Amino acid sequence: DADVTQTPRNRITKTGKRIMLECSQTKGHDRMYWYRQDPGLGLRLIYYSFDVKDINKGEISDGYSVSRQAQAKFSLSLESAIPNQTALYFCATSVKDSGRFSEQFFGPGTRLTVL
Amino acid sequence: QQQVKQSPQSLIVQKGGISIINCAYENTAFDYFPWYQQFPGKGPALLIAIRPDVSEKKEGRFTISFNKSAKQFSLHIMDSQPGDSATYFCAASKGAGSYQLTFGKGTKLSVIP
Repeated sequence: DADVTQTPRNRITKTGKRIMLECSQTKGHDRMYWYRQDPGLGLRLIYYSFDVKDINKGEISDGYSVSRQAQAKFSLSLESAIPNQTALYFCATSVKDSGRFSEQFFGPGTRLTVL
Repeated sequence: QQQVKQSPQSLIVQKGGISIINCAYENTAFDYFPWYQQFPGKGPALLIAIRPDVSEKKEGRFTISFNKSAKQFSLHIMDSQPGDSATYFCAASKGAGSYQLTFGKGTKLSVIP
Protein backbone atom coordinates (compact mmCIF):
# COMPACT_ATOMS: atom_id res chain seq x y z
CA ASP A 1 0.00 0.00 0.00
CA ALA A 2 1.21 3.48 -0.84
CA ASP A 3 2.45 5.56 2.11
CA VAL A 4 1.84 8.87 0.35
CA THR A 5 -1.26 9.11 -1.78
CA GLN A 6 -2.46 11.91 -4.03
CA THR A 7 -5.90 12.53 -5.47
CA PRO A 8 -6.81 12.96 -8.20
CA ARG A 9 -4.03 11.42 -10.27
CA ASN A 10 -5.12 13.31 -13.38
CA ARG A 11 -7.25 16.39 -13.74
CA ILE A 12 -8.25 18.56 -16.65
CA THR A 13 -9.84 21.89 -15.83
CA LYS A 14 -10.60 25.21 -17.44
CA THR A 15 -9.07 28.63 -16.90
CA GLY A 16 -10.60 30.40 -13.93
CA LYS A 17 -11.82 27.29 -12.13
CA ARG A 18 -10.95 26.55 -8.54
CA ILE A 19 -9.26 23.24 -8.02
CA MET A 20 -7.96 21.33 -5.02
CA LEU A 21 -5.32 18.63 -5.00
CA GLU A 22 -5.19 16.38 -1.98
CA CYS A 23 -2.40 14.51 -0.28
CA SER A 24 -2.63 11.93 2.48
CA GLN A 25 0.13 10.01 4.23
CA THR A 26 0.29 7.07 6.57
CA LYS A 27 3.98 7.45 7.39
CA GLY A 28 3.33 9.45 10.54
CA HIS A 29 5.62 12.23 9.33
CA ASP A 30 5.27 15.75 10.64
CA ARG A 31 6.52 17.58 7.58
CA MET A 32 4.71 17.80 4.27
CA TYR A 33 5.55 19.55 1.02
CA TRP A 34 4.04 20.46 -2.32
CA TYR A 35 6.24 20.58 -5.41
CA ARG A 36 5.61 21.39 -9.01
CA GLN A 37 7.49 19.62 -11.83
CA ASP A 38 7.75 21.07 -15.32
CA PRO A 39 9.65 19.43 -18.17
CA GLY A 40 13.23 20.65 -18.18
CA LEU A 41 12.78 22.65 -14.97
CA GLY A 42 13.10 20.03 -12.28
CA LEU A 43 11.05 20.26 -9.09
CA ARG A 44 10.21 23.53 -7.42
CA LEU A 45 8.86 23.92 -3.91
CA ILE A 46 5.44 25.58 -3.64
CA TYR A 47 4.61 25.30 0.07
CA TYR A 48 5.79 23.30 3.04
CA SER A 49 4.35 22.57 6.47
CA PHE A 50 6.16 21.54 9.62
CA ASP A 51 2.93 20.76 11.45
CA VAL A 52 -0.75 21.66 11.35
CA LYS A 53 -0.13 25.20 12.58
CA ASP A 54 3.10 25.89 10.72
CA ILE A 55 2.81 26.56 6.98
CA ASN A 56 5.46 28.27 4.90
CA LYS A 57 5.78 29.59 1.38
CA GLY A 58 8.28 27.99 -0.95
CA GLU A 59 9.96 29.24 -4.07
CA ILE A 60 6.83 29.61 -6.23
CA SER A 61 3.78 30.13 -3.97
CA ASP A 62 2.03 32.84 -6.01
CA GLY A 63 -1.33 31.60 -7.33
CA TYR A 64 -1.47 28.73 -4.85
CA SER A 65 -2.76 28.21 -1.33
CA VAL A 66 -2.59 25.24 1.04
CA SER A 67 -4.40 23.77 3.98
CA ARG A 68 -3.06 21.32 6.55
CA GLN A 69 -6.25 19.73 7.82
CA ALA A 70 -4.51 17.17 9.99
CA GLN A 71 -1.05 15.75 10.46
CA ALA A 72 -1.75 13.29 7.66
CA LYS A 73 -3.47 15.61 5.17
CA PHE A 74 -2.13 18.52 3.15
CA SER A 75 -4.14 20.09 0.33
CA LEU A 76 -3.05 22.41 -2.45
CA SER A 77 -5.55 24.80 -4.00
CA LEU A 78 -5.52 26.84 -7.16
CA GLU A 79 -8.10 29.56 -6.58
CA SER A 80 -8.34 30.55 -10.23
CA ALA A 81 -6.43 28.17 -12.46
CA ILE A 82 -4.44 29.49 -15.41
CA PRO A 83 -2.83 27.57 -18.29
CA ASN A 84 0.74 28.08 -17.05
CA GLN A 85 -0.19 26.10 -13.94
CA THR A 86 -0.36 23.03 -16.15
CA ALA A 87 2.23 20.73 -14.57
CA LEU A 88 2.89 17.60 -12.57
CA TYR A 89 2.34 18.18 -8.86
CA PHE A 90 3.98 16.14 -6.14
CA CYS A 91 3.35 15.89 -2.44
CA ALA A 92 6.19 14.76 -0.19
CA THR A 93 6.73 14.04 3.50
CA SER A 94 9.65 13.81 5.88
CA VAL A 95 10.26 13.23 9.55
CA LYS A 96 10.82 16.10 11.90
CA ASP A 97 14.42 17.25 12.06
CA SER A 98 16.27 15.06 14.49
CA GLY A 99 19.68 16.44 13.71
CA ARG A 100 20.09 14.01 10.85
CA PHE A 101 19.42 14.64 7.20
CA SER A 102 15.92 13.37 6.59
CA GLU A 103 14.77 11.83 3.33
CA GLN A 104 11.72 13.21 1.57
CA PHE A 105 9.19 10.62 0.43
CA PHE A 106 7.20 11.55 -2.65
CA GLY A 107 3.69 10.61 -3.69
CA PRO A 108 2.87 9.38 -7.21
CA GLY A 109 1.95 12.83 -8.50
CA THR A 110 -1.09 14.58 -9.95
CA ARG A 111 -1.02 15.60 -13.59
CA LEU A 112 -2.97 18.85 -13.93
CA THR A 113 -3.95 20.37 -17.25
CA VAL A 114 -5.51 23.82 -17.38
CA LEU A 115 -7.18 24.62 -20.69
CA GLN B 1 18.93 32.44 -10.43
CA GLN B 2 19.48 28.73 -10.69
CA GLN B 3 21.38 27.56 -7.64
CA VAL B 4 22.01 23.97 -8.77
CA LYS B 5 23.06 23.41 -12.36
CA GLN B 6 22.80 19.88 -13.71
CA SER B 7 24.23 18.39 -16.90
CA PRO B 8 23.70 16.76 -19.28
CA GLN B 9 19.99 17.13 -19.89
CA SER B 10 19.87 13.67 -21.44
CA LEU B 11 22.29 10.77 -21.61
CA ILE B 12 22.37 7.55 -23.59
CA VAL B 13 24.68 4.80 -22.33
CA GLN B 14 25.19 1.26 -23.47
CA LYS B 15 24.49 -1.57 -21.07
CA GLY B 16 27.54 -2.20 -18.94
CA GLY B 17 28.89 1.29 -19.41
CA ILE B 18 29.41 4.09 -16.89
CA SER B 19 26.82 6.86 -16.61
CA ILE B 20 28.06 10.18 -15.26
CA ILE B 21 25.83 13.10 -14.30
CA ASN B 22 27.29 16.35 -13.05
CA CYS B 23 25.98 19.10 -10.81
CA ALA B 24 27.39 22.42 -9.70
CA TYR B 25 26.12 24.68 -6.96
CA GLU B 26 26.64 28.29 -6.03
CA ASN B 27 25.50 28.61 -2.43
CA THR B 28 28.35 27.65 -0.07
CA ALA B 29 25.82 27.24 2.74
CA PHE B 30 24.53 24.04 1.15
CA ASP B 31 25.58 21.06 3.23
CA TYR B 32 23.46 18.14 2.10
CA PHE B 33 23.50 16.80 -1.44
CA PRO B 34 21.02 14.04 -2.34
CA TRP B 35 20.31 12.40 -5.67
CA TYR B 36 16.76 11.38 -6.50
CA GLN B 37 15.73 8.82 -9.12
CA GLN B 38 12.39 9.07 -10.90
CA PHE B 39 10.81 6.41 -13.09
CA PRO B 40 8.03 7.36 -15.54
CA GLY B 41 4.69 7.75 -13.79
CA LYS B 42 6.27 7.69 -10.32
CA GLY B 43 7.40 10.22 -7.79
CA PRO B 44 11.11 10.79 -7.18
CA ALA B 45 12.82 8.52 -4.66
CA LEU B 46 16.04 9.08 -2.78
CA LEU B 47 18.91 7.19 -4.37
CA ILE B 48 21.99 8.29 -2.48
CA ALA B 49 23.15 11.37 -0.56
CA ILE B 50 26.37 12.92 0.66
CA ARG B 51 27.56 15.51 3.12
CA PRO B 52 30.49 17.78 2.24
CA ASP B 53 32.78 16.32 4.90
CA VAL B 54 33.52 13.34 2.61
CA SER B 55 34.70 13.32 -0.98
CA GLU B 56 33.00 10.12 -2.08
CA LYS B 57 30.14 7.85 -1.12
CA LYS B 58 29.41 4.51 -2.70
CA GLU B 59 26.29 2.37 -2.51
CA GLY B 60 26.40 -0.63 -4.76
CA ARG B 61 26.83 0.53 -8.36
CA PHE B 62 26.08 4.16 -7.45
CA THR B 63 28.79 6.59 -6.34
CA ILE B 64 28.69 10.27 -5.50
CA SER B 65 31.92 12.19 -5.97
CA PHE B 66 32.10 15.55 -4.21
CA ASN B 67 34.51 18.41 -4.82
CA LYS B 68 33.93 21.09 -2.21
CA SER B 69 36.48 23.57 -3.54
CA ALA B 70 34.99 23.43 -7.03
CA LYS B 71 31.43 23.34 -5.68
CA GLN B 72 30.66 20.35 -7.84
CA PHE B 73 29.33 16.86 -7.28
CA SER B 74 28.57 14.02 -9.60
CA LEU B 75 26.74 10.71 -9.77
CA HIS B 76 28.46 7.72 -11.32
CA ILE B 77 26.50 4.62 -12.22
CA MET B 78 28.80 1.68 -12.84
CA ASP B 79 27.79 -1.25 -15.03
CA SER B 80 24.68 0.63 -16.15
CA GLN B 81 21.61 -1.53 -16.74
CA PRO B 82 18.41 -0.94 -18.73
CA GLY B 83 16.57 -0.88 -15.39
CA ASP B 84 18.57 2.24 -14.49
CA SER B 85 16.77 4.15 -17.25
CA ALA B 86 15.09 7.00 -15.40
CA THR B 87 15.35 10.71 -14.74
CA TYR B 88 17.92 11.66 -12.12
CA PHE B 89 17.81 14.85 -10.09
CA CYS B 90 20.58 16.27 -7.98
CA ALA B 91 19.59 18.51 -5.12
CA ALA B 92 21.05 20.56 -2.31
CA SER B 93 19.86 21.94 0.99
CA LYS B 94 21.10 23.91 3.94
CA GLY B 95 21.13 22.34 7.35
CA ALA B 96 19.86 19.12 8.77
CA GLY B 97 16.33 18.01 8.01
CA SER B 98 16.57 18.77 4.28
CA TYR B 99 13.28 20.59 4.48
CA GLN B 100 14.01 22.98 1.64
CA LEU B 101 15.62 21.17 -1.26
CA THR B 102 16.84 23.01 -4.35
CA PHE B 103 16.73 20.63 -7.31
CA GLY B 104 18.67 20.54 -10.54
CA LYS B 105 16.67 20.37 -13.75
CA GLY B 106 17.15 16.63 -14.17
CA THR B 107 18.93 14.23 -16.50
CA LYS B 108 17.04 11.64 -18.50
CA LEU B 109 19.18 8.51 -18.66
CA SER B 110 18.54 5.82 -21.23
CA VAL B 111 20.55 2.62 -21.01
CA ILE B 112 20.38 0.67 -24.24
CA PRO B 113 21.06 -3.07 -24.56
